[in-house]
Amino acid sequence: EVQLVESGGGLIQPGGSLRLSCAVSGFTVSSNYMIWVRQAPGKGLEWVSFIDSGGSTYYADSVKGRFTISRDNSENTLYLQMNSLRAEDTALYYCARAYWRSLDYWGQGTLVTVSS
Amino acid sequence: DVVMTQSPLSLPVTLGQPASISCRSSQSLVHSDGNIYLNWFQQRPGQSPRRLIYKISNRDSGVPDRFSGSGSGTDFTLKINRVEAEDVGVYYCMQGTHWPYTFGQGTKLEIK
Repeated sequence: EVQLVESGGGLIQPGGSLRLSCAVSGFTVSSNYMIWVRQAPGKGLEWVSFIDSGGSTYYADSVKGRFTISRDNSENTLYLQMNSLRAEDTALYYCARAYWRSLDYWGQGTLVTVSS
Repeated sequence: DVVMTQSPLSLPVTLGQPASISCRSSQSLVHSDGNIYLNWFQQRPGQSPRRLIYKISNRDSGVPDRFSGSGSGTDFTLKINRVEAEDVGVYYCMQGTHWPYTFGQGTKLEIK
């Protein structure tokens, strides 16, 4: 059975840092394309960051230079390091598998709240 | 980036009646490999998005056959034959043909 379990969210002050984790079972993270998608309260879905099977990474302009996507092959886990957090980064963050240009498996999400 | 425009944004439906959601893209979603990577997701209240349909019309395992997808080029439609209470939620289209992948704004389906 495929499972994606996010963790690491919480309340953080503006300018702070958080690292989100997405522990995966049922498939190998390093062999797949993976994506982080976020959803601000009451809003729609927005892609944040993407890593392909070769390790190339991509970022939305809104987070470029502040967020870093990575993976740990031994732990089969995807990460999102978020620095210099802003109020507008407040959202529910989902990890998902990007397979054949679609997002077939999603986690349950982890909430990040940036507020003083 | 490709802009995905859904309509309507709010869809009140009577139980047992049909429902239809439109999704239009700002450019053709035909990929160089000949496929059209248009997906539909359902997000029930308090839940993660769940994929319903991929490549325009292919239903995911476990998705009731009252859900169907159609379209071509830049115009796509998700139809629900007879709406049930469990269909309440927000529906999103997403294109995977062009990078970055982009989502529609979402259509909120509610029971009248």
